[in-house]
Amino acid sequence: RKEVEQDPGPFNVPEGATVAFNCTYSNSASQSFFWYRQDCRKEPKLLMSVYSSGNEDGRFTAQLNRASQYISLLIRDSKLSDSATYLCVVYGSSNTGKLIFGQGTTLQVKP
Amino acid sequence: NAGVTQTPKFQVLKTGQSMTLQCAQDMNHEYMSWYRQDPGMGLRLIHYSVGAGITDQGEVPNGYNVSRSTTEDFPLRLLSAAPSQTSVYFCAVRRGRTEAFFGQGTRLTVV
Repeated sequence: RKEVEQDPGPFNVPEGATVAFNCTYSNSASQSFFWYRQDCRKEPKLLMSVYSSGNEDGRFTAQLNRASQYISLLIRDSKLSDSATYLCVVYGSSNTGKLIFGQGTTLQVKP
Repeated sequence: NAGVTQTPKFQVLKTGQSMTLQCAQDMNHEYMSWYRQDPGMGLRLIHYSVGAGITDQGEVPNGYNVSRSTTEDFPLRLLSAAPSQTSVYFCAVRRGRTEAFFGQGTRLTVV
């Protein structure tokens, strides 16, 4: 089993739609969680960190469920510019400096 | 302030050749990592370092060597290139459990 798993999609949605991605992680001692965005095989860039209480940044909402070991990302009012691959990232439990990436979920927003 | 600089951006190697992918940072971050990204596989950790003089293996270390003699540089060496090493390689730097910053990637083809 992979340490971090995501549904690869693709998710094809119309502009203005709400779309949600889930990610599960296997290590219950994992400490930090992030969502990254990657465009067309360019370098990944941080979209948002994920906090235990949940957090929001404009149209984006991230949530963490430690009991079920999953992380979610909700995108409201999708824009064409949201088309990208979204990577779920988990920081390991020990002080090893290892960030573990999910395989990514591809989102295509259509006019 | 360049952040994370990877060179070269593109490279074609013949099977059996060796080469070094360079990664340099001017952010003074202690954690540096090398990932490879293949279609459908997400980013997989090759090697990482938690500081100068300290390196460790990631998920897919075979065929690669690293060293970390300074905080700034973390080169990745391919000892004898194989077609299976055709991939996109990303270097990432980070301080603690915070955002990771990536280089622009090296697109390597082994023929």
